[in-house]
Amino acid sequence: KAGVTQTPRYLIKTRGQQVTLSCSPISGHRSVSWYQQTPGQGLQFLFEYFSETQRNKGNFPGRFSGRQFSNSRSEMNVSTLELGDSALYLCASNIDGWAEYGYTFGSGTRLTVV
Amino acid sequence: KQEVTQIPAALSVPEGENLVLNCSFTDSAIYNLQWFRQDPGKGLTSLLLIQSSQREQTSGRLNASLDKSSGRSTLYIAASQPGDSATYLCAVRGGSQGNLIFGKGTKLSVKP
Repeated sequence: KAGVTQTPRYLIKTRGQQVTLSCSPISGHRSVSWYQQTPGQGLQFLFEYFSETQRNKGNFPGRFSGRQFSNSRSEMNVSTLELGDSALYLCASNIDGWAEYGYTFGSGTRLTVV
Repeated sequence: KQEVTQIPAALSVPEGENLVLNCSFTDSAIYNLQWFRQDPGKGLTSLLLIQSSQREQTSGRLNASLDKSSGRSTLYIAASQPGDSATYLCAVRGGSQGNLIFGKGTKLSVKP
């Protein structure tokens, strides 16, 4: 079966712009989580969506937002981009978000802010 | 606040060697622990998932153990190969619906 699909793979944006990233989970998975990976901070949790509702949120400013659609696909938006937002953004899907199941990650979107 | 530490940060071994990667966490109240592999510029590939009630999991040449009481997990790789070269990350899940908390990873290089 198809894995977790993230689009686009690469993005270059200018400081101050906004960006939208997309994630399609594994078919049948209803939980989608987003993580930011940087060389300095490693992997940090952004937020999790389940059944179109944000269920959990990390410690990121309000410029980072997301949503989930009825087909479980999720989008993440970053407004007023800063140079420090340059990172690999990873999406992970889970059947229903409960602890007994592990997470499957996508290949990520590499965002570069110039 | 849960913190996850992986030691060493980098490891270089000759092909064929058996090796152990270490992961420690500060809060033993975890639901499960997952080991991942990441190739340069790529996403994460799940290797093994250990539930809090389990002591170990095995997949091929990989064996992961979990000691909740001491806050430690190890990933054992048998007969290492150059294709095993990657960064290995461990992540713990602190709640039944909690997010993953990651260590910074161990970068493994297996020399032919």
